[in-house]
Amino acid sequence: QQKVQQSPESLTVSEGAMASLNCTFSDGTSNNFRWYRQHSAKGLEVLVSIFSDGEKEEGRFTAHLNRANLHVSLHIREPQPSDSAVYLCAVRQGGSAKLIFGEGTKLTVSS
Amino acid sequence: GPKVLQIPSHQIIDMGQMVTLNCDPVSNHLYFYWYKQILGQQMEFLVNFYNGKVMEKSKLFKDQFSVERPDGSYFTLKIQPTALEDSAVYFCASSFPGLGDYEQYFGPGTRLTVL
Repeated sequence: QQKVQQSPESLTVSEGAMASLNCTFSDGTSNNFRWYRQHSAKGLEVLVSIFSDGEKEEGRFTAHLNRANLHVSLHIREPQPSDSAVYLCAVRQGGSAKLIFGEGTKLTVSS
Repeated sequence: GPKVLQIPSHQIIDMGQMVTLNCDPVSNHLYFYWYKQILGQQMEFLVNFYNGKVMEKSKLFKDQFSVERPDGSYFTLKIQPTALEDSAVYFCASSFPGLGDYEQYFGPGTRLTVL
């Protein structure tokens, strides 16, 4: 059974400083990774999807995937207070449509 | 981006009663999902549904749970009877189609409180 873990549990950064979030997974055959953002009382907003080792950039959000190390990270460039939210890592395995989520990282961006 | 709507946003019911959670998926999507998130815990997959059938379900999808999408209207999750441990936020998602690298778009969730 795939296990997805995120760190840190919470993170506070100053506006404009880089924010880095981590996610580890247990099944090295996974090939489909997503980062979502969850604001209170709102649905999940997909930020970036990545399917092969390396880097994928979507605006201020960059994901790095290293399947050999079972690790995917999210970096947020020039974070704003409006980026304060819970960030979720999700992994999908081939042959299945279900997403396995981590427990989330609560990001606070102070002005 | 595409929007998934969920009705109601909050439901409070007594244990043992039936409840139906409604999801209005993105109009051209074909795959539909329910996920459950207990307060303070991670979101967990319940079920996905395509072409009138359950395609995958997890062990959280108990016999008391059922899903349907009659005549292309709301995609519903029915729980009958409810139990205290069913208290959670239930998120609906849809995608076009389900497998492959198509995004799942999530609704804002329905908070279910079972007393």
